[in-house]
Parts: sequence; C-alpha cells; structure tokens
Amino acid sequence: SQTIHQWPATLVQPVGSPLSLECTVEGTSNPNLYWYRQAAGRGLQLLFYSVGIGQISSEVPQNLSASRPQDRQFILSSKKLLLSDSGFYLCALTGLTPYEQYFGPGTRLTVT
Amino acid sequence: DQQVKQNSPSLSVQEGRISILNCDYTNSMFDYFLWYKKYPAEGPTFLISISSIKDKNEDGRFTVFLNKSAKHLSLHIVPSQPGDSAVYFCAASYLSGGYQKVTFGTGTKLQVIP
Repeated sequence: SQTIHQWPATLVQPVGSPLSLECTVEGTSNPNLYWYRQAAGRGLQLLFYSVGIGQISSEVPQNLSASRPQDRQFILSSKKLLLSDSGFYLCALTGLTPYEQYFGPGTRLTVT
Repeated sequence: DQQVKQNSPSLSVQEGRISILNCDYTNSMFDYFLWYKKYPAEGPTFLISISSIKDKNEDGRFTVFLNKSAKHLSLHIVPSQPGDSAVYFCAASYLSGGYQKVTFGTGTKLQVIP
C-alpha cells in the first residue's frame, strides 16, 4: 500500500530564514505528487504538482519553490520565509483513481 | 475566486441524528466531486466521491448527493457518531493540462454531541 512520509512534523522558523520540507512516498512508482497548504481559517490551497522527476508546475506565484530530485521524493523550499508562509503543509499523491488523492501527515510551520 | 464554497464553517449535531454538510461550486468544468475528512494535525483522508453523471452515491452511513443544475452537493451522515467529529472538506476536480486538478473548499467542522 502507498505510504507518504513528511518531515519534520512541526517547525518554527524566524522570518527571513530558509525552509526545506521533505516528502517521500513508498509503495508506488512514478506518482503524481502535490504540495498543499492550509492556512488558518482557509481551505487547502494547491501550491505545486509534479508528474515526474524534475517536472514541477506551480499553481500560484509565491515565496516558495518545489523540486523533485527522485521519483518518490518531493521537496518544498524557500530562501527567505515570510510570516504569511505559516500554515499546515501537506504532501499528496494520486490514489487508485486519478481523482482521489492520498495525503501525508503534514508539517505544521510557524514563522515568527 | 473561491470556486468551491462551504458556507457553513461549523455544524453541531446530536449523536444518532443526521448530519448534512453542504457545498457549492461555480466551475462547470468540474466532473468529479469528493469529500475528505480531516482530524487535527493529520492529513485529510478520502471519504466518498461522485461522478458528475450520477446524482447519488452511497457508502454505508455516508451518502453524497449531487445537483448539477444548482451546482450543489451535500454529504449526509446517518446516523452521526461522535467519531465523525472532524473537519470535512468538499473537493471538485477536472482534467487540466494532463493532471486531475482538484479544488478544495474551506471546510466545515462537524461536532457530534454524545
């Protein structure tokens, strides 16, 4: 079965510091991978998606970037964090059907 | 522009009664609709879905209804149980640029009171 790992689970970072969140998946090959963010009081916002190694598409312009160095690894980064980057970051992959997505446990990021 | 809207941020229901969660959408391109359930500090988990060619899909205590003309879907939970207390996200999907683009609503927090 498919498993999604995310780390760290919780992160507190000062404004202006860099960020690197990692997502790795098991039990599947060549998955479509997604990064979502849930900000306080808001729904899930799609940030990036990737259909393969080195293939990244961005849904919204922002302070963040994503990379996919390996088939089952998806990384979310920032060079300088903003207060508005605080939120709950979720990695997801496409499930048994192209419509359903499976989510990882998430990373709670607080920018201070 | 919020293409998927859940206008009720919270809902309280007595155990054993019916919970009805509502969702409205604006984009006619959506052809698949889903409900996800999320507990605090966890990722959402898929609950139930419905294709745009249907108007009802049932899975145990959970039923999703789709009214395409009104661009409205709802999730019914009968009977409601305390373990159903969670945030429920409505999502709508269509194929775009080679991948399934999923748009989520803002969520409704359901509290089932024992």
